[in-house]
Amino acid sequence: ILNVEQSPQSLHVQEGDSTNFTCSFPSSNFYALHWYRWETAKSPEALFVMTLNGDEKKKGRISATLNTKEGYSYLYIKGSQPEDSATYLCALLGIQGAQKLVFGQGTRLTINP
Amino acid sequence: EAGVAQSPRYKIIEKRQSVAFWCNPISGHATLYWYQQILGQGPKLLIQFQNNGVVDDSQLPKDRFSAERLKGVDSTLKIQPAKLEDSAVYLCASSFTDGDYEQYFGPGTRLTVT
Repeated sequence: ILNVEQSPQSLHVQEGDSTNFTCSFPSSNFYALHWYRWETAKSPEALFVMTLNGDEKKKGRISATLNTKEGYSYLYIKGSQPEDSATYLCALLGIQGAQKLVFGQGTRLTINP
Repeated sequence: EAGVAQSPRYKIIEKRQSVAFWCNPISGHATLYWYQQILGQGPKLLIQFQNNGVVDDSQLPKDRFSAERLKGVDSTLKIQPAKLEDSAVYLCASSFTDGDYEQYFGPGTRLTVT
């Protein structure tokens, strides 16, 4: 079984602080890595899709990097705001040829005002 | 553009009862997915349709779960009979094709089995 691991599982951050969390995976044989933000009672929202080693993507205060050689991706949030509170999911598409998304267990982020 | 619609949003049933969930994907999307997300775990793919054909149902517990997408648009997922361990959020997603990197998710149905 191929596991996509996310750490930490939960995180409490003070408003205004910056934070980051990790997605680890065992193989570089996949098509794309996805980051999703999932707020309670809403649809998971796509943040980034990354495909190449060294990819860096940015959307406002949120950015992500991908290192396929060492098997990890980082998600960074700069200057956390209460609206950043959500579960952040990492998923790999096409890991070892499987035509489906394999998700990590998520990092639940809570921003304290 | 309307997103992926799901209903109901919440459902509480007793074990051994039956339940059905409905999904309407984004117009024009050929591929439809059903995921199960148990608390503390990531979403797990149950079944993937390409138009009205099944592409992958390897993780669908076929003794109690069934799904259909008869006209290649809407889909229903059924559980009969439900067990306590079926308590989860059931997410529907769609993409333009099965090779499309982008999947668009609905808000999910939260099922509680008591």
